[in-house]
This record gives sequence, C-alpha cells and structure tokens, in this order.
Amino acid sequence: QVQLQESGPELVKPSETLSLTCTVSGGSMTSYYWNWIRQPPGKGLEWIGNIYTSGSTKYSPSLKSRVTMSIDTSRKQFSLKLSSVTAADTAVYYCARSVISSGYYYYYMDDWGKGATVTVSS
Amino acid sequence: QSVLIQPPSASGTPGQRVTISCSGSSSNIGSNSVNWYQQFPGTAPKLLIYNINQRPSGVPDRFSASKSGTSASLVISGLQSEDEADYYCAGWDDSLNGHVAFGGGTTLTVL
Repeated sequence: QVQLQESGPELVKPSETLSLTCTVSGGSMTSYYWNWIRQPPGKGLEWIGNIYTSGSTKYSPSLKSRVTMSIDTSRKQFSLKLSSVTAADTAVYYCARSVISSGYYYYYMDDWGKGATVTVSS
Repeated sequence: QSVLIQPPSASGTPGQRVTISCSGSSSNIGSNSVNWYQQFPGTAPKLLIYNINQRPSGVPDRFSASKSGTSASLVISGLQSEDEADYYCAGWDDSLNGHVAFGGGTTLTVL
C-alpha cells in the first residue's frame, strides 16, 4: 500500500490551466499505472487518464484535447494539466494507483489520495 | 450519462441482504473485469471488490460480487449501519481507444 497526496491551487480562473501534482510515498512507482479521477460536487466519479512509469499515457476520450499528464519517478510525483477550464471543471481531483493486466482485462485502483478540491471561478 | 448504469439509490434494514446492479455493454463488462468502490461522504473512494469478485484484505466477507454477461452485481449480506455509503462499479471499456468507465453510483441507505 502506498500513500498519495494531491497538491496544487484550489482556485483557477476560467480559460486558464489547472495544474495538480500527486506525490507518492511508502512504495515504488515502478510497474504501476498512475491515474487522475475527478468528482464534481454532488456527482459521480469521472476518470481523467493514466500515465505509466515509462511516460506513456491514456486519456479520457471526452477530455483528451485538454489533458496533459507527466511523471517524474525520481521525485515520486506525477502531474495533471487541464487547459481552458470552465466552471464545469470544478471538482475534487483524486490521484490513484492502478493495477492493470495485459490487454486491460482487469484495471482497478487500489490506493487513492484524499483528494484536492479545485474551484474554477473568476 | 454514465457508461455503466446503476440505480441511484438502494436501501435495506440491518441484517438484510441488498443487491446493487451495474449494467454495461459488450465493450466493458461483457469483455472485461468489474470493480466496486465504496465512498463515504467527504472521503476518497476505497476499493471494495476487484476483478469481479475478489476482496482486498480487510474487506468483510459480507461483501460479495458477481458478473454475468454485460451486467454485474454487488451483494451486501447482513447489512450494517456502517455500510451506508455510495457504491460505484467500474471497469475498462474497449471503445473509443479504451478508457475507464464508472457507473453513476448508488447511494445505499440503511433504514
């Protein structure tokens, strides 16, 4: 089990870029996929994307035009950038570790951060 | 509109057996595994069931799950008051170049 901690600005202006970092402690980043998931107020969970320790990424089809993820295994961190934000991007953003089988038959997130609340407002 | 369809609410009395359903399609549940997450208000989701019916260490055995065709179910036997939470099904969806799909979530109330 690892610990994950999200960090970043709590308030972002419309049209600007939301930036968050997830710091991993208590375990290795190697051989796992690292995810961002968000939850708008009062709503369900939405997967944003993942990044592997090699740097390869997969993004949600609905967000991929605005999402960029990066990883720095030496610092045990991975990051999310979401551009051109609007009020609809207001949410709690979670980072999570996932275990994935080849071909993605199973894909589950076994460790989660506590979440970072990000509000988009002028 | 979520890719995986769950009832928005479910309820039961202590000791009862409650089932929460999750309906998908051939590109998700029909061809891949299913997981369930439990979330209490104001906290992060927690993995409850993975790979259809596997419980992580520490999850009580009153939680069980199954999959049949393009649907999955979470069963809570011997319902307890501390089980009152939101429950989400999720899994990989092969469509649109692949992505994780979540259900809309089911709020379980213990009466």
